[in-house]
Amino acid sequence: QKEVEQNSGPLSVPEGAIASLNCTYSDRGSQSFFWYRQYSGKSPELIMSIYSNGDKEDGRFTAQLNKASQYVSLLIRDSQPSDSATYLCAVKGSRGSNYKLTFGKGTLLTVNP
Amino acid sequence: EAGVAQSPRYKIIEKRQSVAFWCNPISGHATLYWYQQILGQGPKLLIQFQNNGVVDDSQLPKDRFSAERLKGVDSTLKIQPAKLEDSAVYLCASSPDRDSVGYEQYFGPGTRLTVT
Repeated sequence: QKEVEQNSGPLSVPEGAIASLNCTYSDRGSQSFFWYRQYSGKSPELIMSIYSNGDKEDGRFTAQLNKASQYVSLLIRDSQPSDSATYLCAVKGSRGSNYKLTFGKGTLLTVNP
Repeated sequence: EAGVAQSPRYKIIEKRQSVAFWCNPISGHATLYWYQQILGQGPKLLIQFQNNGVVDDSQLPKDRFSAERLKGVDSTLKIQPAKLEDSAVYLCASSPDRDSVGYEQYFGPGTRLTVT
């Protein structure tokens, strides 16, 4: 059973701070990694994808990938109250798993004004 | 570009009743997924279609759940008979194709099922 683990949270940060969300995965054959944001009562919304080791920046969001350590992270700079949501880490498995997307349980982030 | 459409948005049924959910993926997307998301958990894949063929249904409780994708476009997911533990949000997602890299999945609004 391929697993994706996220820091359990909840995570609370003040407005303007950096929020750091972490994720580890067990399938070494995974090549694609995603971060979804899910507001309460809503469906997951894709915010970042990363495929290569290193950092990928998009506005206030930076995804980091380290395949050797099987570790993915998401940094949110200048956090805003509108960033308050559950963040889901998702890992796409290898061909043997039919490229199945496995989600972590999510980390609830609260940004306090 | 229109997103993934699902209906109904909410459904309340009694245990042992049957229920069906409908999904229309993003136009041109070959791969369609049904997920179950229980409160406080991440989505769990139930079934994956590539065009109108089933690629993976290893986590689908086949004694009560069934799904089909007619003509490689719309899909329906059925539960018969429902159990209390089926109370969850059922999410449909689609992607242009499937491969090891790329082809992000996009989710519909979901159907919230309550079984009483």
